[in-house]
Amino acid sequence: TQLLEQSPQFLSIQEGENLTVYCNSSSVFSSLQWYRQEPGEGPVLLVTVVTGGEVKKLKRLTFQFGDARKDSSLHITAAQPGDTGLYLCAGNAGGTSYGKLTFGQGTILTVHP
Amino acid sequence: KAGVTQTPRYLIKTRGQQVTLSCSPISGHRSVSWYQQTPGQGLQFLFEYFSETQRNKGNFPGRFSGRQFSNSRSEMNVSTLELGDSALYLCASRRTGGNTEAFFGQGTRLTVV
Repeated sequence: TQLLEQSPQFLSIQEGENLTVYCNSSSVFSSLQWYRQEPGEGPVLLVTVVTGGEVKKLKRLTFQFGDARKDSSLHITAAQPGDTGLYLCAGNAGGTSYGKLTFGQGTILTVHP
Repeated sequence: KAGVTQTPRYLIKTRGQQVTLSCSPISGHRSVSWYQQTPGQGLQFLFEYFSETQRNKGNFPGRFSGRQFSNSRSEMNVSTLELGDSALYLCASRRTGGNTEAFFGQGTRLTVV
């Protein structure tokens, strides 16, 4: 059974601060996706990383996939109140399991003005 | 292009009843996966359907079942509802095969009383 450990579980910061969310596993993933979810809504895809060592940037968000494809991180620079939400990492084992995502427990981020 | 549509958005059912949830994937997407999200367990994979066939299955009891139609629309059924089935049920669609991204619907909030 593949597991993804996401940390921290909660993050409360002031506007303008930087933060990093981690997603770790002992298993190798074919790809890893990061989602953001608002209360009562479905997760919205932010990015997919596929290649070990890959770094992707989305405005103030930087996503990295570990060289061994077992871990990933999300770094937000100069956080804003609009970044508040639940951030989820999700791994895909590949092969016949492409349709199955294994999710981390999520990080609830609160950015105070 | 329309996103993933789930109906209904909210449901209240009584213990022992059964319920059917519906998911219409993005046009052209043939894979539909279902997930259960609860505060305690996070997002957990239920099953995936591709070309009307169940391709992957999570660790849920047989009370949880699903099907997919020729137009890729999918339904999920839960029989003999229990209080613990109260959750946000999410479906995600993917184009087809390989390492393609999953897009989620807004979910159906099921409350069992």
